[in-house]
Amino acid sequence: AQKITQTQPGMFVQEKEAVTLDCTYDTSDQSYGLFWYKQPSSGEMIFLIYQGSYDEQNATEGRYSLNFQKARKSANLVISASQLGDSAMYFCAMQDTGFQKLVFGTGTRLLVSP
Amino acid sequence: DAGVIQSPRHEVTEMGQEVTLRCKPISGHNSLFWYRQTMMRGLELLIYFNNNVPIDDSGMPEDRFSAKMPNASFSTLKIQPSEPRDSAVYFCASSFVTPFSEQFFGPGTRLTVL
Repeated sequence: AQKITQTQPGMFVQEKEAVTLDCTYDTSDQSYGLFWYKQPSSGEMIFLIYQGSYDEQNATEGRYSLNFQKARKSANLVISASQLGDSAMYFCAMQDTGFQKLVFGTGTRLLVSP
Repeated sequence: DAGVIQSPRHEVTEMGQEVTLRCKPISGHNSLFWYRQTMMRGLELLIYFNNNVPIDDSGMPEDRFSAKMPNASFSTLKIQPSEPRDSAVYFCASSFVTPFSEQFFGPGTRLTVL
């Protein structure tokens, strides 16, 4: 069965600094996708970034990058140059080829201070 | 283009009443997902449809929950009778199925059962 683990309930970072949010996963599948979503206090779920298990390059989307270490089964999200608007919950999720559903971790609450 | 539309945004009802949540997916998407978010259980999939056909309903908690997708642009999630433990935020998401594809979430329906 798939499992996503986010061990950091909360993280603090100062504005303009970089921060890494940890995510480890467990699956017996060879082909899978890893996703990060942001949930601000308003409640919506916002897609940030995707990494495929066969992608050789780490995914990047603007200030977001995904540090993918397949052997360690980790898919950490790196946010560079944090902004106050980055304060939110961040969820790591996995999808495999057999099932379209996303399996989510418990989330990390990020607080960016001025 | 409009995103996923959910209604109502907030619903307060009394135990035993029937509740119907509605979702309009993004036009052209062929998969639709219903998720539930609670503090205790996090984000969990209830059911998903592919081309209007239910594919996986293993997350539906019990017979009180039912979901339908009569056409490509509309889905409902019904709870009858509702119970206080059903209080949660219910998200609808849609995607266009490829091996891996991000899901676009609606704003959610916050359900409170008194």
